[in-house]
Amino acid sequence: GDSVTQMEGPVTLSEEAFLTINCTYTATGYPSLFWYVQYPGEGLQLLLKATKADDKGSNKGFEATYRKETTSFHLEKGSVQVSDSAVYFCALDSSYKLIFGSGTRLLVRP
Amino acid sequence: NAGVTQTPKFRVLKTGQSMTLLCAQDMNHEYMYWYRQDPGMGLRLIHYSVGEGTTAKGEVPDGYNVSRLKKQNFLLGLESAAPSQTSVYFCASSSGQFYNEQFFGPGTRLTVL
Repeated sequence: GDSVTQMEGPVTLSEEAFLTINCTYTATGYPSLFWYVQYPGEGLQLLLKATKADDKGSNKGFEATYRKETTSFHLEKGSVQVSDSAVYFCALDSSYKLIFGSGTRLLVRP
Repeated sequence: NAGVTQTPKFRVLKTGQSMTLLCAQDMNHEYMYWYRQDPGMGLRLIHYSVGEGTTAKGEVPDGYNVSRLKKQNFLLGLESAAPSQTSVYFCASSSGQFYNEQFFGPGTRLTVL
């Protein structure tokens, strides 16, 4: 069945460092791909999305490109802030259901 | 526009007790979902609904029941709670159109002793 694998955390960075969180997927066809973010004590919020191969989703300085050839959707940000500390989930759309990765906790230190 | 709301926010149950979690959305969405979140396991789908009066099983449905009597509400029931059901429960909704963006509620933290 469809599945999502993302790098284990926690990822600890200093402010202004470059961020990459890896995400790969297994799916039949070409599903839509998502990154969701969960801030402490809150529900999940959509961060960005890509609906077809080579699409680049972007929001709040974060980017991810839908790579069909490597079945990947890695999340990147050029300069992280303390306020980016959260848990990040990669997900794919499978017949109107979302399949989530296990989440990666990011901690950004001042 | 409240989006997706969940009631209650916290609950402590004893083993064998029952309870119902309520999810409400005001976006006129057709699709609604219940997930549980456990450490290191991401979110796992319990049950979902593709419209008023419909329900379907997700990945981990055992021990739970659901009902969707009104389009805006989706109820999750635990008939006889077990410690393994200690978790954070999230409700979500989507229009079911295009890329199926789901909107999440704030969660309910349930502890079963």
